Amino acid sequence: DTGVSQNPRHKITKRGQNVTFRCDPISEHNRLYWYRQTLGQGPEFLTYFQNEAQLEKSRLLSDRFSAERPKGSFSTLEIQRTEQGDSAMYLCASSSLGGGAVDTQYFGPGTRLTVL
Amino acid sequence: AQSVTQLDSQVPVFEEAPVELRCNYSSSVSVYLFWYVQYPNQGLQLLLKYLSGSTLVKGINGFEAEFNKSQTSFHLRKPSVHISDTAEYFCAVSDGGSQGNLIFGKGTKLSVKP
Repeated sequence: DTGVSQNPRHKITKRGQNVTFRCDPISEHNRLYWYRQTLGQGPEFLTYFQNEAQLEKSRLLSDRFSAERPKGSFSTLEIQRTEQGDSAMYLCASSSLGGGAVDTQYFGPGTRLTVL
Repeated sequence: AQSVTQLDSQVPVFEEAPVELRCNYSSSVSVYLFWYVQYPNQGLQLLLKYLSGSTLVKGINGFEAEFNKSQTSFHLRKPSVHISDTAEYFCAVSDGGSQGNLIFGKGTKLSVKP
């Protein structure tokens, strides 16, 4: 178990450019979440996958954001036409849907995006 | 909708002193509560969780939390803190719905001074 990994760890881009982040969950975890954390705030839910299906999207996820998990393993989060307000830490978490009422999410180290 | 309030944005404390970080959540039929810790420039690490059963939950690094349904609270405590406990602590709630996403508080920065 190598934990959740995210790449890149840091990304600096200019306003208007597209960026893509990758998340590799803990192997065999069937649930994958994306969160966004801005300075001084707790993480806010963006979207959620169960296997390859994207089952939930937050209102925070504007049409410039798209996420995929094509084979039910790794996931990508793309932001098109970045804006300065997109500057944040993007966190990925994974969990395993077991027999209990709720699962435990394990977080990656995050990707810090700075939009100039 | 669920919400979480962390009453203190910053808590300074001296090494070896006890500490309590407060967390209140909005009432719901059933809730599942978590405390995560975040060290600078790192992701979140699970400290402890309450799913059911005993209201006193013990976690890693000597932390514990008590679930109080009548006061809708889930305060985090440690009897004696170390310099290495300096970090930001987040309380989170899940309603156990189909997606299980977490609702986080704004965090409490714990600063442990020598």
